[in-house]
Amino acid sequence: EIVMTQSPGTLSVSPGEGATLSCRASQSINTNLAWFQQKPGQAPRLLIYGASTRASGIPARFSGSGSGTDFTLTISSLQSEDFALYYCQQYNNWPPITFGQGTRLEIK
Amino acid sequence: QVKLVQSGVEVRKPGTSVKLSCKGSGYTFTDYHIHWVRQAPGQGLEWMGRINIKSGVPNYAQKFQGRVSLTRDTSVSTVYMELSGLKSDDVAVYYCAISVESPAVPSYDHWGQGTLVTVSP
Repeated sequence: EIVMTQSPGTLSVSPGEGATLSCRASQSINTNLAWFQQKPGQAPRLLIYGASTRASGIPARFSGSGSGTDFTLTISSLQSEDFALYYCQQYNNWPPITFGQGTRLEIK
Repeated sequence: QVKLVQSGVEVRKPGTSVKLSCKGSGYTFTDYHIHWVRQAPGQGLEWMGRINIKSGVPNYAQKFQGRVSLTRDTSVSTVYMELSGLKSDDVAVYYCAISVESPAVPSYDHWGQGTLVTVSP
């Protein structure tokens, strides 16, 4: 099973600033990685798939990069609605599909 | 528009089973596999399995093998997830999800609203 590790656990950033979230896989997953955003009481929302392809309707301030074992989600110029939980997910070797434990992005 | 509508809250006793449903609409039901993901309170996301809607063949996470069963009824565009031998750590919100934008990969762009399952003596 591929283990996904996200860092940091919590990231405190001021609105208008940028944020960089990291995700590391325990073995190479090529670019078979997705990023999700989740707000309290809601289902996750797909942001990025294929490590760098923005899903439909996702603002351009969200970008993904990386391949192999190390991946990054970058959010430029944080808006109030961006403060949420973020998960990475690998689908290179499955079953099982596995998720990171999440990064909480909070307002500084 | 694409929608996945899940059944309502369930309360069960330990050792019993629960069967949840997920009804798809707004798309051709047989075009996309349906996956199930759960989330315990305050915890992360955990993949449970998926079902190939056309063939009916399921794949399960090893952790749930022998306890979970995914079936589908194409006549009512519905997938069912049954979990048996319920324990306290099965308390979670259970989601169904599909990938429409990129159907070849399980990157879920549509989710059901979730079903809360509570296990209590």
